[in-house]
Amino acid sequence: DAGVIQSPRHEVTEMGQEVTLRCKPISGHDYLFWYRQTMMRGLELLIYFNNNVPIDDSGMPEDRFSAKMPNASFSTLKIQPSEPRDSAVYFCASSPSGGRNQPQHFGDGTRLSIL
Amino acid sequence: SQQGEEDPQALSIQEGENATMNCSYKTSINNLQWYRQNSGRGLVHLILIRSNEREKHSGRLRVTLDTSKKSSSLLITASRAADTASYFCATLNNAGNMLTFGGGTRLMVKP
Repeated sequence: DAGVIQSPRHEVTEMGQEVTLRCKPISGHDYLFWYRQTMMRGLELLIYFNNNVPIDDSGMPEDRFSAKMPNASFSTLKIQPSEPRDSAVYFCASSPSGGRNQPQHFGDGTRLSIL
Repeated sequence: SQQGEEDPQALSIQEGENATMNCSYKTSINNLQWYRQNSGRGLVHLILIRSNEREKHSGRLRVTLDTSKKSSSLLITASRAADTASYFCATLNNAGNMLTFGGGTRLMVKP
């Protein structure tokens, strides 16, 4: 089975540019999560979707961040305009429905560097 | 602040020794999960223990949960160099809609 697929794996861009991170969850999973990992703050939940609908975006740092899930097999996290403090590793994870005891499956992340 | 806090932050042991990592949390939970992260990779789920369970085993892994002390431990027995990774605990709230990760323990197993 293919796992969660994220692209790109690495992104280096200058501040002020728009950045789009992509995620393909595991087929059949109803939940999709976006996390950000930094040394200072650890792993933070940004937003999660259930059946393509955003449920909780309280972790999104500010209006520069937006996320969409147009269908069950694709999600994007966009930063516009990007700033150096957005540099981090961004992870996408998915999990199946069926109750609370389902583990999350993570992609290998996008390492984002904003210069 | 983070719900789960791991202790120690870093641990270095020799191959064959046991490794014990601890996790403390603050609010009531539905379940507690342990994940492993190899360098440059995503997190991989290891084991889940429900709030009404006290101990669980999976291969060389043993997890305990003490809800009265709001703490959990992960024991890796007979460690191998391949166990070198960061280990995170994560707690699921009672509403079942929020998984909160701790800061992790960096484990190094020397061959």
